Amino acid sequence: AQSVTQLGSHVSVSEGALVLLRCNYSSSVPPYLFWYVQYPNQGLQLLLKYTTGATLVKGINGFEAEFKKSETSFHLTKPSAHMSDAAEYFCAVSDRRAAGNKLTFGGGTRVLVKP
Amino acid sequence: SAVISQKPSRDICQRGTSLTIQCQVDSQVTMMFWYRQQPGQSLTLIATANQGSEATYESGFVIDKFPISRPNLTFSTLTVSNMSPEDSSIYLCSVEVSWMGGGYNEQFFGPGTRLTVL
Repeated sequence: AQSVTQLGSHVSVSEGALVLLRCNYSSSVPPYLFWYVQYPNQGLQLLLKYTTGATLVKGINGFEAEFKKSETSFHLTKPSAHMSDAAEYFCAVSDRRAAGNKLTFGGGTRVLVKP
Repeated sequence: SAVISQKPSRDICQRGTSLTIQCQVDSQVTMMFWYRQQPGQSLTLIATANQGSEATYESGFVIDKFPISRPNLTFSTLTVSNMSPEDSSIYLCSVEVSWMGGGYNEQFFGPGTRLTVL
């Protein structure tokens, strides 16, 4: 069984400030981990993913996340927030099948960027 | 990658009626998924739809309420039957794409169908 917990349903940051979104997971197998972004009235877009290898993963739009097995965490960061980062962000874990990977999503974190 | 379209993009329906949502992808894919996103909530997997076989439903979802068709490798439909206001949600389809180099199969999501049931 898998689960994902995102701390904070809403985060407010100032433009130019650090963005930090927290994600902790539970998985019975070594996980695949993902961050997705959802802009208003749109579907989900993959920001980045961790499958194997380097634990610091870089994604699109300047985001990165670090897989920490000992902490069962996969926090998402961006050094400097931009107004266009205002969106909802979802952390997800996969059950790591060869095909038909089922994604379990966290509750989501809505990011507000203040000018 | 995969480009996915959904129809309708949104609808307002009366309780007791049914709505069929279409999902079209621009390439042939084996695995398609249907998710529900209730207002202010995260995504929950409804079912997995493979071409040529019956859909596999997750706990809490049944075929009578959410019948799914998968007639070919680029198309699927989800019907929300006998709707009630509790069915008001965004319904998203996604597809799984295999990379040539192997490894993880990435999921791409459609834009969603926003359903309101009165």
